[in-house]
Amino acid sequence: QVQLQESGPGLVKPSQTLSLTCTVSGGSISSSDYYWSWIRRLPGQGLEWIANIYYSGSTFYNPSLKSRVTISVDTSKNQFSLRMDSVTAADTAVYYCARTMTGSFDIWGQGTLVTVSS
Amino acid sequence: DIVMTQSPDSLAVSLGERATINCKSSQSVLYSPNNKNYLAWYQQRPGQPPKLLLYWASTRESGVPDRFSGSGSGTDFTLTISSLQAEDVAVYYCQQYYSTRTYTFGQGTRLEIK
Repeated sequence: QVQLQESGPGLVKPSQTLSLTCTVSGGSISSSDYYWSWIRRLPGQGLEWIANIYYSGSTFYNPSLKSRVTISVDTSKNQFSLRMDSVTAADTAVYYCARTMTGSFDIWGQGTLVTVSS
Repeated sequence: DIVMTQSPDSLAVSLGERATINCKSSQSVLYSPNNKNYLAWYQQRPGQPPKLLLYWASTRESGVPDRFSGSGSGTDFTLTISSLQAEDVAVYYCQQYYSTRTYTFGQGTRLEIK
């Protein structure tokens, strides 16, 4: 079955760039049925959707984060990635990658904690 | 943005009893052309990622026990666990996907055993 796995640094300094990659296994990221997503859980708060990408490269961003976020896809590696610029302590969160067909997220990675601190 | 508000924030229920969690959206998530409510429910156990329980407000994801059910339409929705089991201790979230401009989640409801 399809599995997702996040990878990337667990510690990022303030004002620097957060970069995460999600590797898809057990299925193709080039499936025409699905979008691929990044979502985060902020400490003491709920879940926040960050962005979606289709295998063709079409992207959708949360307007509140759009100015700092870039999502990209590498179909040759079956991966998609998140880049978030100018991070602050408020970006400390558990970051998840997930899969969606119609907007509900049916498969999630285990999540990776990213701490923004000097 | 569509704001999702859950109630209560936390809930303690005895084993075998019914648990009910409510979710209210700031605007309707019912799409009239297909009569579908663009509303999902998730369960997040400690140390685990969220797990999809229900989509289209009431359609159970494959493998989800039938003690989990969803109801409601428009702006008001309910997740019901008919007979609470120990493994149901978790935080539960609702999510709207009506607005493709931005998907939004409720703040979460923590469910514990009384």
